[in-house]
Amino acid sequence: GIQVEQSPPDLILQEGANSTLRCNFSDSVNNLQWFHQNPWGQLINLFYIPSGTKQNGRLSATTVATERYSLLYISSSQTTDSGVYFCAFSGNTPLVFGKGTRLSVIA
Amino acid sequence: NAGVTQTPKFQVLKTGQSMTLQCAQDMNHNSMYWYRQDPGMGLRLIYYSASEGTTDKGEVPNGYNVSRLNKREFSLRLESAAPSQTSVYFCASSDEFQETQYFGPGTRLLVL
Repeated sequence: GIQVEQSPPDLILQEGANSTLRCNFSDSVNNLQWFHQNPWGQLINLFYIPSGTKQNGRLSATTVATERYSLLYISSSQTTDSGVYFCAFSGNTPLVFGKGTRLSVIA
Repeated sequence: NAGVTQTPKFQVLKTGQSMTLQCAQDMNHNSMYWYRQDPGMGLRLIYYSASEGTTDKGEVPNGYNVSRLNKREFSLRLESAAPSQTSVYFCASSDEFQETQYFGPGTRLLVL
């Protein structure tokens, strides 16, 4: 079946540091989305990015469909960036979520 | 705009009891989804409705039924709850199938 692998599973950063989260997927991509789940459980869509690069403030994402991976960049991290970051991928099936990267940003 | 709303926020059931989780969206979206999230796991799709009048099974449909009541509402029913169904349930919607998904706040369900 479709596999979505995220790395690293856990990440601890000092406030102000930059980070890169990776998502590898096992099939040709039609759809790839990045989500942030805050410590209170709320899920927010960050990017819809089946290919190319997008930026939104301090966050940016790149998907290289031919090599089957996507990257989420967080620059100048803030404590409010803490939480779990999920990527979700689909080829011809509904979205399959990875297990997430848990990010803790320390002041 | 309330976005996606879910009721109840929290529920405790005994094994064998039934209940319905309600979801509504006010964004005029065509597609709606039900997921469950277990500790240390990502979200797993239970059922989805790509458009009004259609429903399809996701990855983990056993023990659940759904109803797309109208374009706004998509309910999830547990006919006979089991402890393995203890989880956090999220409803989501998107304008078209597979496009950007917007999530509700979740329902935390405990089955004893």
